[in-house]
Amino acid sequence: AQKVTQAQTEISVVEKEDVTLDCVYETRDTTYYLFWYKQPPSGELVFLIRRNSFDEQNEISGRYSWNFQKSTSSFNFTITASQVVDSAVYFCALSEDNYGQNFVFGPGTRLSVLP
Amino acid sequence: DSGVTQTPKHLITATGQRVTLRCSPRSGDLSVYWYQQSLDQGLQFLIQYYNGEERAKGNILERFSAQQFPDLHSELNLSSLELGDSALYFCASSGGLLAGGTDTQYFGPGTRLTVL
Repeated sequence: AQKVTQAQTEISVVEKEDVTLDCVYETRDTTYYLFWYKQPPSGELVFLIRRNSFDEQNEISGRYSWNFQKSTSSFNFTITASQVVDSAVYFCALSEDNYGQNFVFGPGTRLSVLP
Repeated sequence: DSGVTQTPKHLITATGQRVTLRCSPRSGDLSVYWYQQSLDQGLQFLIQYYNGEERAKGNILERFSAQQFPDLHSELNLSSLELGDSALYFCASSGGLLAGGTDTQYFGPGTRLTVL
């Protein structure tokens, strides 16, 4: 069965620090898709990134970067120079196929960025 | 504003009742997704529709059903409600398929369901 583990339940950092959120996944499939979502204190969900298992290139989007390593089944998310607005719960997720079949979320990591 | 609307924002009902949650996707988006977020279960994917057809099914209970109409809006029907169904229900939309495409997924503000 598919599984996503986010071992860090809560993380606190001071503004401008870099922070990495860990995501480890389990799947028997050779083709799969990984996602990150953000849920700020206001409660809405925000899609951050989608990555398929064939593309191991790291991705950078502004202060956000993602490190996908199949060898360790990890898809970690780094925020550089964190800001208070980055405070949120971050969810990693895994999908088995193109349509979102067997889509599972991790339990989330609550990030608090202190001024 | 994501462009995805959900109604109602809040819903309070009693056990055994039936409710319908509505979602209007962003203009032009063909895919609609439903998610449930509860304290006990966390975030769960329920179901996905693409252009009127069911494309993926997650942890959706048999008491729940959904459909996507020709105008692309979607409804999630929850029946024989139990206390454990109390949760935040999110709808999202995207232009194409979730995993295979490059579209961003946009979420609505959610409907908070309370079952008493």
